[in-house]
Amino acid sequence: EPEVTQTPSHQVTQMGQEVILRCVPISNHLYFYWYRQILGQKVEFLVSFYNNEISEKSEIFDDQFSVERPDGSNFTLKIRSTKLEDSAMYFCASNLDQGNNQPQHFGDGTRLSIL
Amino acid sequence: GENVEQHPSTLSVQEGDSAVIKCTYSDSASNYFPWYKQELGKRPQLIIDIRSNVGEKKDQRIAVTLNKTAKHFSLHITETQPEDSAVYFCAASYPGSTLTFGKGTMLLVSP
Repeated sequence: EPEVTQTPSHQVTQMGQEVILRCVPISNHLYFYWYRQILGQKVEFLVSFYNNEISEKSEIFDDQFSVERPDGSNFTLKIRSTKLEDSAMYFCASNLDQGNNQPQHFGDGTRLSIL
Repeated sequence: GENVEQHPSTLSVQEGDSAVIKCTYSDSASNYFPWYKQELGKRPQLIIDIRSNVGEKKDQRIAVTLNKTAKHFSLHITETQPEDSAVYFCAASYPGSTLTFGKGTMLLVSP
C-alpha cells in the first residue's frame, strides 16, 4: 500500500536556525497538509496545499513558516528562525480530493527538537 | 471555524470489555468524521470514517455512530484487546476544509 514518507525522522536544531522538513506524498494525491503535535497534545493543522499554492492555513502558520513543492514529488515545510516552542512532531498528510472528503493519510512524522 | 470536543481523555477497560469514545462538533456544515488511532511514537492511522449521509458504520469490532441533529459521533470498540491500547483521535471536516481534531482519548486495555 502506498505511503506518505517523511525525512528526517528526528531533527535537532539550535534555536534561531532554519530547518526544512521533507515529505513525499502518495503519488496520485493532489492535496497536501502539514500538522503539528506537541508532546502529549492533539494534532493541530498548520497548512494545506493544492495546485502549487496554499489553500488554507491556521494561526500557527505565521511568517516563520513556508511550504514548497520544489519538484513533482517533494513537499517541504520550512521554519525560518526556530523557537523553543517549535519543538514538536510534524506530520505530513495527503489525500486525493479534499472537496469530497477523501481520507487523509499521514506520514510517520519528523520529531523536531529545538535546543 | 470548527471545534471538536472529545471525551473521555483517558479510558481504562479490561480485555474483552467494550469501549466508547464520544465527540461533539460545532459546525453543522461538517459532513466527514474520521477516527484515527495513534500508537506511541507512531503516525495517526485511519481506522474508520463516516459521512453524514449515514448514521452508523461498522468494521469488525469497530463501529461509529453519528447523530447529526445533536452534532455528536461516537467510536465503539467491542471485545477489546491489549493491542487496542493507543490514543484515539476523532476529527471533523466539511467539504473543502481540512480536519479539526479532538484532543484525543488514551485507551488502556488491561489483560
